Amino acid sequence: EAGVAQSPRYKIIEKRQSVAFWCNPISGHATLYWYQQILGQGPKLLIQFQNNGVVDDSQLPKDRFSAERLKGVDSTLKIQPAKLEDSAVYLCASTRGGLWNEQFFGPGTRLTVL
Amino acid sequence: KQEVTQIPAALSVPEGENLVLNCSFTDSAIYNLQWFRQDPGKGLTSLLLIQSSQREQTSGRLNASLDKSSGRSTLYIAASQPGDSATYLCAVSLIQGAQKLVFGQGTRLTINP
Repeated sequence: EAGVAQSPRYKIIEKRQSVAFWCNPISGHATLYWYQQILGQGPKLLIQFQNNGVVDDSQLPKDRFSAERLKGVDSTLKIQPAKLEDSAVYLCASTRGGLWNEQFFGPGTRLTVL
Repeated sequence: KQEVTQIPAALSVPEGENLVLNCSFTDSAIYNLQWFRQDPGKGLTSLLLIQSSQREQTSGRLNASLDKSSGRSTLYIAASQPGDSATYLCAVSLIQGAQKLVFGQGTRLTINP
């Protein structure tokens, strides 16, 4: 089966600009996650969707970050306006759910804010 | 608040050695624990998943153990190869509802030929 797809793979922007990332999870996976991974650290959960509803967005900086999953499949994560400290890799993951609940990750989008 | 710690942060060993990576977590109320591998510029690849009721899982040269009561997990790599060089991350899945993962900071492993 095809894996989790993300685009773009790389993005460089100036601070205060806007940027959007796209994720297409594995077919049939109801749960989708966005993580932020700063260099040298483990990924940190930003937001979790179950179908098209938000389950957990407690660590999402809502003044500048937003995310949606309109039809319960693809998802977009937006940053507006970007700050220098937003430079990171943004990872998308999905899971079918159930007993094992193994998460499968996409290749990530590396964002550099100048 | 669940915290996950991995020691050491970096490890360099010669090819062929057996090695152990360590992961500790502060709250034993976990649903499961996963070990991931991350290559430079790439996403995460799941290596092993251990349910909270299990003690260990094996896949090829990899063996992961879980001691929930002491808040520890180890990843054992046998007969290491240069292709094993990567960053290894452990993550615990919290027990209630959302099934979100809390990650450690990773161990950067280098296998020298």
